[in-house]
Amino acid sequence: GESVGLHLPTLSVQEGDNSIINCAYSNSASDYFIWYKQESGKGPQFIIDIRSNMDKRQGQRVTVLLNKTVKHLSLQIAATQPGDSAVYFCAETINTGGFKTIFGAGTRLFVKA
Amino acid sequence: DVKVTQSSRYLVKRTGEKVFLECVQDMDHENMFWYRQDPGLGLRLIYFSYDVKMKEKGDIPEGYSVSREKKERFSLILESASTNQTSMYLCASKPGQGEWGAFFGQGTRLTVV
Repeated sequence: GESVGLHLPTLSVQEGDNSIINCAYSNSASDYFIWYKQESGKGPQFIIDIRSNMDKRQGQRVTVLLNKTVKHLSLQIAATQPGDSAVYFCAETINTGGFKTIFGAGTRLFVKA
Repeated sequence: DVKVTQSSRYLVKRTGEKVFLECVQDMDHENMFWYRQDPGLGLRLIYFSYDVKMKEKGDIPEGYSVSREKKERFSLILESASTNQTSMYLCASKPGQGEWGAFFGQGTRLTVV
């Protein structure tokens, strides 16, 4: 069935280090992928997206990599800061006529000062 | 800025009550979604709607129904609340065209006692 999962439920990194959060998806028909950040007490917030015809996209301090061969998505955060501490979700969007979006379970990122 | 507003931040309801969760977005988005979020399970899609009066079941529609009479408003209805529906409920909206991340409300924490 459709599912999006994460390899690690928690990740702890030192401030200033780079973070890598991984995600596996199972639906080969998914054509668009998104990473969201959710801080405590708030709804998820869009970080970066990537289309299925791309393998890499860069934003400000964040990079998303897509490997369709193994159905794997990763989010890289450069120079991780305390404000990056949050739960990160990957999501896949499938065009069913209304762009159904399915989320993974999430990874909690802890940034140690 | 896009604003997605959920009518309540916290709700406490009794088992068997009919519960309405309201969501309003102000950006004329075609797509609207209801998710529930539980620890360790991430966001699970309950229902989504891609147009007025149009709806599609998500992964866990049982025990829920939805209503979209106007484009800006998407309501989630718990016909007869049960304790296993205690959760955080998140509403989201998204434009109909192109690849855009969804915009989320702040969430409604529902407790059924």
